[in-house]
Amino acid sequence: DAKTTQPNSMESNEEEPVHLPCNHSTISGTDYIHWYRQLPSQGPEYVIHGLTSNVNNRMASLAIAEDRKSSTLILHRATLRDAAVYYCILRDRAGRGSTLGRLYFGRGTQLTVWP
Amino acid sequence: SAVISQKPSRDICQRGTSLTIQCQVDSQVTMMFWYRQQPGQSLTLIATANQGSEATYESGFVIDKFPISRPNLTFSTLTVSNMSPEDSSIYLCSVGGPRDRAPGEEQFFGPGTRLTVL
Repeated sequence: DAKTTQPNSMESNEEEPVHLPCNHSTISGTDYIHWYRQLPSQGPEYVIHGLTSNVNNRMASLAIAEDRKSSTLILHRATLRDAAVYYCILRDRAGRGSTLGRLYFGRGTQLTVWP
Repeated sequence: SAVISQKPSRDICQRGTSLTIQCQVDSQVTMMFWYRQQPGQSLTLIATANQGSEATYESGFVIDKFPISRPNLTFSTLTVSNMSPEDSSIYLCSVGGPRDRAPGEEQFFGPGTRLTVL
């Protein structure tokens, strides 16, 4: 599986924007870029995903580099509730056989939000 | 979306015993997944629970240690057999959305079962 690289930790102040980077230099043309987050004592939850174009939803924005070798998750105004571990994951669009549907988690980025 | 419940939410077990964890989904899904999250670590995929066929295990996980059942499209169980303290982890069930054969779909996770083995 293609690997992702994220900083171990980041910090932000409440109500400031947060840019969480992810490097995926070995991404293949069939990989979606997914972001999940895990709040303390909870299972992971979906944040956003994209393929080539930038994406926006109610939770966040995803900026994807033109060569797709990196992406940035953007939280426009961090809140205390956004403190979590954020995972950047590549998921095979083709979903061939043995890897269909599977998510493989890296270590993620621990985001701390200060009041 | 899919709502997932797991039972038990937590348990403390003795070495050498087995524990069966249940995962119930509020809608029919094709694929269900079991993950393990050891203390302070990320999630590791254990296996894919397939309805009507044997589970597919990831490297490092075997059926004798983690037998899985998938009797229908809304339910699965994971058994942790002959437990040792190294099995102390959070075990999470996950499913794709109703159209979960599309790799772009989001995945949903249960709240997890926190297992402590003494």
